[in-house]
Amino acid sequence: DQQVKQNSPSLSVQEGRISILNCDYTNSMFDYFLWYKKYPAEGPTFLISISSIKDKNEDGRFTVFLNKSAKHLSLHIVPSQPGDSAVYFCAGKDGNKLVFGAGTILRVKS
Amino acid sequence: GAGVSQSPRYKVAKRGQDVALRCDPISGHVSLFWYQQALGQGPEFLTYFQNEAQLDKSGLPSDRFFAERPEGSVSTLKIQRTQQEDSAVYLCASSLWARVNTGELFFGEGSRLTVL
Repeated sequence: DQQVKQNSPSLSVQEGRISILNCDYTNSMFDYFLWYKKYPAEGPTFLISISSIKDKNEDGRFTVFLNKSAKHLSLHIVPSQPGDSAVYFCAGKDGNKLVFGAGTILRVKS
Repeated sequence: GAGVSQSPRYKVAKRGQDVALRCDPISGHVSLFWYQQALGQGPEFLTYFQNEAQLDKSGLPSDRFFAERPEGSVSTLKIQRTQQEDSAVYLCASSLWARVNTGELFFGEGSRLTVL
């Protein structure tokens, strides 16, 4: 049972444009949702989070939107930069556990 | 050290061998987690420590997997009689707080285990 799904394995975007990464979940017990970014041969690094009682959180170029009724969240990166090219993991937090999706590879072309 | 340190970075084991993977969390971090990441998948929770106490080991896939953190700092994940399906990257993460409030964990670079 996949509690967190990232249905797009990869996304390619032109530098300067918007990147939109999507994530769906099934577990209503998640109290926080997070995005982690991972470069090759490195561990995941925390990017941004949102409480389940909010619908938007913004941090610089990164904005996360949460639609609880649809059990859907998205990460917007504006403007996209070549250094944003990485694997992005969506995760839900249930207690002290994080449940991750399979990831989306983002390629930002210059 | 400045970040979470894991060793070895790469380990090749023959099926049936025992392996031990080490994690040095960020100094002073109370919570420590082990995750398993199979190829093409996201990290999956294995176990959680608060200081030296193992509070959740529900993610350990079998009794061949054992984790400890005897002094509340360094942790070791041991896999006995390794099988091919154990091949994965094993990630260690730590958090300053006892409760992981917003979900921000600091991950190490991982130990890639290949079982032949």
